[in-house]
Amino acid sequence: KQEVTQIPAALSVPEGENLVLNCSFTDSAIYNLQWFRQDPGKGLTSLLLIQSSQREQTSGRLNASLDKSSGRSTLYIAASQPGDSATYLCAVPSGRGSTLGRLYFGRGTQLTVWP
Amino acid sequence: DTEVTQTPKHLVMGMTNKKSLKCEQHMGHRAMYWYKQKAKKPPELMFVYSYEKLSINESVPSRFSPECPNSSLLNLHLHALQPEDSALYLCASSPAPVFGANVLTFGAGSRLTVL
Repeated sequence: KQEVTQIPAALSVPEGENLVLNCSFTDSAIYNLQWFRQDPGKGLTSLLLIQSSQREQTSGRLNASLDKSSGRSTLYIAASQPGDSATYLCAVPSGRGSTLGRLYFGRGTQLTVWP
Repeated sequence: DTEVTQTPKHLVMGMTNKKSLKCEQHMGHRAMYWYKQKAKKPPELMFVYSYEKLSINESVPSRFSPECPNSSLLNLHLHALQPEDSALYLCASSPAPVFGANVLTFGAGSRLTVL
């Protein structure tokens, strides 16, 4: 069974800092990895999708890297803003006999950016 | 249209009530999913529909009854729920039920409270 771990569980920083959120997974036979953002009580917004053949993806101030062999992904947030405050979830499917449509989620990193 | 629309956003029901959650997508996706998310926990898979047929039921109690009337709609019928069923219910869809390579788009969720 795929296990996904996210570190840190919570992060509180002043505006303007560059941030690093970490995700690790136990089964490296993945097809892709997604980073989601979730605001309190809301649904999931997909931020970045990295295919297994890629090393990184960028969208605006966000950059996600993937090291499939070591089972790690990192989400970089540049020049953080208070509007970035949310919970960030990492999710992977598993290629080994996985349940169709099952994404394995980490517990998330709760980010607070204060002015 | 790149959205998954869920209604209602909030639902309060008693344990003897019958209600339904609705989900709609117009992206031509052929796989649709229900996930359940308790507070401060990651989402957990409940059901998967593939080409309008139920392909996965993750041992969900029968008081939750999914229905897929057509390729764009997914319902979750609720009956005789328990207070512990209170949670955020997330609908998602993906282009095709490709094993292990699904890229899911999530809706905003329906917040259910069972009294």
